[in-house]
Amino acid sequence: EAGVTQSPTHLIKTRGQQATLRCSPISGHTSVYWYQQALGLGLQFLLWYDEGEERNRGNFPPRFSGRQFPNYSSELNVNALELEDSALYLCASSLGPHLEYSNQPQHFGDGTRLSIL
Amino acid sequence: KNEVEQSPQNLTAQEGEFITINCSYSVGISALHWLQQHPGGGIVSLFMLSSGKKKHGRLIATINIQEKHSSLHITASHPRDSAVYICAVRAGATNKLIFGTGTLLAVQP
Repeated sequence: EAGVTQSPTHLIKTRGQQATLRCSPISGHTSVYWYQQALGLGLQFLLWYDEGEERNRGNFPPRFSGRQFPNYSSELNVNALELEDSALYLCASSLGPHLEYSNQPQHFGDGTRLSIL
Repeated sequence: KNEVEQSPQNLTAQEGEFITINCSYSVGISALHWLQQHPGGGIVSLFMLSSGKKKHGRLIATINIQEKHSSLHITASHPRDSAVYICAVRAGATNKLIFGTGTLLAVQP
């Protein structure tokens, strides 16, 4: 079974540009989560999508947005890039948020390393 | 104060030693995860638990819901165990994870 896949592995942008990061969940998983791991700050929750809808959002500005497609894959978009957006962006997936899946773990991808010059 | 605190932040051990990493949290949770992150970033979910104890190979995770505390133990540690170990809690019904800052473990041969 294929795990969570993310692309690209590395992405280099300059200030003010826009970045798009992609995530494909494990087959059968409907929930996709995005996390940011900036240097020295640890992992921070960004966004949670399930069944095509945004379910929850972390404490990030509106420049960070995303969407989930009918096949449950997801994109994270970051507009007007700033230097402090340089980080490892991790995607995770799990079975849906419904009560019967409440004990299901999240499975992580290897991440996209975004560098802002 | 962080909602999830880990200790120690850094840990150096000799091969074969018994290792304990601790995690305390201050919010209501529905589950607690222990994650392993190797250099380069990839994260592996080691355990998810909401009560009691789980064991997988040389790894043991325990949780005390009343005391809001969890421990990850590694028996007979090996250099390949060297990684960052992260505690994360699932806060209530939100499904989002709140992470500790991680424990950097180095096991020397």
